[in-house]
Amino acid sequence: EPEVTQTPSHQVTQMGQEVILRCVPISNHLYFYWYRQILGQKVEFLVSFYNNEISEKSEIFDDQFSVERPDGSNFTLKIRSTKLEDSAMYFCASSETGGKTEAFFGQGTRLTVV
Amino acid sequence: DAKTTQPPSMDCAEGRAANLPCNHSTISGNEYVYWYRQIHSQGPQYIIHGLKNNETNEMASLIITEDRKSSTLILPHATLRDTAVYYCIVRAFFNDYKLSFGAGTTVTVRA
Repeated sequence: EPEVTQTPSHQVTQMGQEVILRCVPISNHLYFYWYRQILGQKVEFLVSFYNNEISEKSEIFDDQFSVERPDGSNFTLKIRSTKLEDSAMYFCASSETGGKTEAFFGQGTRLTVV
Repeated sequence: DAKTTQPPSMDCAEGRAANLPCNHSTISGNEYVYWYRQIHSQGPQYIIHGLKNNETNEMASLIITEDRKSSTLILPHATLRDTAVYYCIVRAFFNDYKLSFGAGTTVTVRA
């Protein structure tokens, strides 16, 4: 069964450093998403991406964040100048179409900023 | 903001059906009802979705009321592995595709 793959599973970084979280969406999917979940809190939407551009972003997704689909298969989330409060699980998801078809999630990257 | 209301928790006996209610009284005509679950801190897992008709797949059944203001997810034979947080989410099928997760229902299946 096709699945969304995320790497690494766990990333530890120093405060102020840049991190790149990587995702390989399901191959025929066209819509891509990033979500995050701070420990003990809700899953929060960050950004959606379609046709090589951001289609929607939340208030959380400020200039510190960026997304890219560099090679037609990977989908990345870059976090610049990480802060302690960026520590969270980051989930990538993809869907074949927009809201009519289900989005499938990866197993997440646990980001720990120290 | 989540547009659904779910009970915070419920218990279920192993082997019995689990019926999870959800209210979405402000749902609009261009929104589906989606159900996901999350086991520990794993990625949310898709269960089922529907627009206005009842739906069934290998995991669950979804019953949507005729006025679409509420729905029930049915896990027909709950197992210990079904212990998870279950999220009921309304999701637009055009223009706004994000999934807005609320607190969900923590379902504990007991032996």
